[in-house]
Amino acid sequence: KNQVEQSPQSLIILEGKNCTLQCNYTVSPFSNLRWYKQDTGRGPVSLTIMTFSENTRSNGRYTATLDADTKQSSLHITASQLSDSASYICVVSAKGGSQGNLIFGKGTKLSVKP
Amino acid sequence: DTGVSQNPRHKITKRGQNVTFRCDPISEHNRLYWYRQTLGQGPEFLTYFQNEAQLEKSRLLSDRFSAERPKGSFSTLEIQRTEQGDSAMYLCASSLWQDENIQYFGAGTRLSVL
Repeated sequence: KNQVEQSPQSLIILEGKNCTLQCNYTVSPFSNLRWYKQDTGRGPVSLTIMTFSENTRSNGRYTATLDADTKQSSLHITASQLSDSASYICVVSAKGGSQGNLIFGKGTKLSVKP
Repeated sequence: DTGVSQNPRHKITKRGQNVTFRCDPISEHNRLYWYRQTLGQGPEFLTYFQNEAQLEKSRLLSDRFSAERPKGSFSTLEIQRTEQGDSAMYLCASSLWQDENIQYFGAGTRLSVL
């Protein structure tokens, strides 16, 4: 069964600290993986998208990694800011799949405290 | 505002009533998607359109749900005879068909069925 598992479920860190969020998937055949940021009461906003051939992709203070062999991805946030408080959702799509084959994780809720 | 727009932002209704939500996608985007998201969960795919054609419907889309995109621009999602289990955030997203990997989400319509 195609699944996307994210950990931890929630995380509290102090402003300025770094953190890493994890995403494990069992989607096959793999096409691409995306990380979204979702503020409370808002729609998700795309942070990065990674294909099979990519290992690392950065977007400002966000760095996503992908290990297609172990089917794991991580999202590393550097020098966290209060505005980073949000849910981070990992989404995996299957190659040749229909729209219904976008598999969403449940998200990691990050709280950045002053 | 050139983003995806959803109306209303919040809807409170009594069980058994019908409700209709509207989504205005980014103007040049020919693909439009509907998702449902409950608290602590990732979005779940409901249906998507390419122009005015509804190309796929999830099994989640029961016969009480109907979506339309009559002119290939805005879309409506109607829920008939609402049930308490329909309470959720309903998200709309749009993309270009040649770049479906990048979906832009609206802020969502939060439905509460009493």
